[in-house]
Amino acid sequence: RKEVEQDPGPFNVPEGATVAFNCTYSNSASQSFFWYRQDCRKEPKLLMSVYSSGNEDGRFTAQLNRASQYISLLIRDSKLSDSATYLCVVIVPSGGSYIPTFGRGTSLIVHP
Amino acid sequence: DAGVTQSPTHLIKTRGQQVTLRCSPKSGHDTVSWYQQALGQGPQFIFQYYEEEERQRGNFPDRFSGHQFPNYSSELNVNALLLGDSALYLCASSLDLLIRGDREPGELFFGEGSRLTVL
Repeated sequence: RKEVEQDPGPFNVPEGATVAFNCTYSNSASQSFFWYRQDCRKEPKLLMSVYSSGNEDGRFTAQLNRASQYISLLIRDSKLSDSATYLCVVIVPSGGSYIPTFGRGTSLIVHP
Repeated sequence: DAGVTQSPTHLIKTRGQQVTLRCSPKSGHDTVSWYQQALGQGPQFIFQYYEEEERQRGNFPDRFSGHQFPNYSSELNVNALLLGDSALYLCASSLDLLIRGDREPGELFFGEGSRLTVL
């Protein structure tokens, strides 16, 4: 089982739709989680951090379910500019240190 | 405030050659991580440097090596290049945060990457 798993999509939604992505992780000792956004052929950029049960920033909401070991990202009122790949990052404990471990990303396409 | 800078941005090599990629971290950051991102995949962790030492290493062969300098900048070296090494190489800098008593990496700031093509 991979340490961080995401559905690669693509998710193809109309403007104004609500869309949700899930990310599962295998190491129950992980405490910190992030969602990054990556535009085509660009570097990843932080969208949200999740240290407790969840976080909300405008149209974006991230939730953490420790019991089931997944985090989710909800995007409300989708905009054309939301089209991108969304990467889940889990801080995985390893040998006394921590490794930021990425999922393969979920592709979102918002169409008019 | 300068962000993370990487060089070169693009390069083409042939099989068997060696390559060196460079990274300058965001001002004030002391930890540098390197990632390899193949097309359609998420970034894969190569290694992380802190205080000029390799702190963690991912599942990459010894052909991949690195270094961190006293000014926190870093290099990634790949020897005996294979076709499969073609990818975007991303450098990320960060600061550790205290999370529930443990020092963990905070937000990763990425450079624009070095796109390597091996022919």
